[in-house]
Amino acid sequence: QVQLQESGPGLVRPSGTLSLTCTVSGDSISSSNWWTWVRQPPGQGLEWIGEIYHTGDANYSPSLKSRVTISVDKSKNQFSLSLTSVTAADTAVYYCARGRPRLIFWGQGTLVTVSS
Amino acid sequence: EIVMTQSPGTLSVSPGERATLSCRASQSVSSNLAWYQQKPGQPPRLLIFDASARATGIPARFSGSGSGTEFTLTITSLESEDFAVYFCQQYKNWPPTTFGQGTRLEIK
Repeated sequence: QVQLQESGPGLVRPSGTLSLTCTVSGDSISSSNWWTWVRQPPGQGLEWIGEIYHTGDANYSPSLKSRVTISVDKSKNQFSLSLTSVTAADTAVYYCARGRPRLIFWGQGTLVTVSS
Repeated sequence: EIVMTQSPGTLSVSPGERATLSCRASQSVSSNLAWYQQKPGQPPRLLIFDASARATGIPARFSGSGSGTEFTLTITSLESEDFAVYFCQQYKNWPPTTFGQGTRLEIK
């Protein structure tokens, strides 16, 4: 069974960098799948952030592209999200997921709050 | 970017009744549409893909229809576990992919 688990700080200061890691089990990060980040502000809808393939090819949301980097660590079977210059608007539950276009496997999500 | 609009925002239906949820795309997405169910504190769960195909393990009371810009998720004979928030997602010309803002299905 494929499982994904997000990890990282739950509190980030304004103007700082949000960094999260997704650890994958039950599948290889080098399999023929795309690995995705999605976020959900409290009480709101879902926003696709971006995705990465094990080759390092990555795609990003046009609205976040200038601030986002997604990377992969094959040795640890992980992929990571970095979001710079955060503001309160970046407060959300961040999910990692597998797949394109069908997002079948998801992590449980981790709440990241941007606050001083 | 393709904008997805769901209606209504909240739908109140009695258990055992039928629920009909709508999703509209700002431009044609053909049949490149999925529906997800989300319960409090949980990640979304894929219900329907390619507009009308049920995902593995999804009960037959869930069905999807539509193509182009208008889509419908129908849940017949509502059960207690069906009361949740539902999102549509378009994936034509991914990336990017975009989601609707959600419909909350509540017990009447």
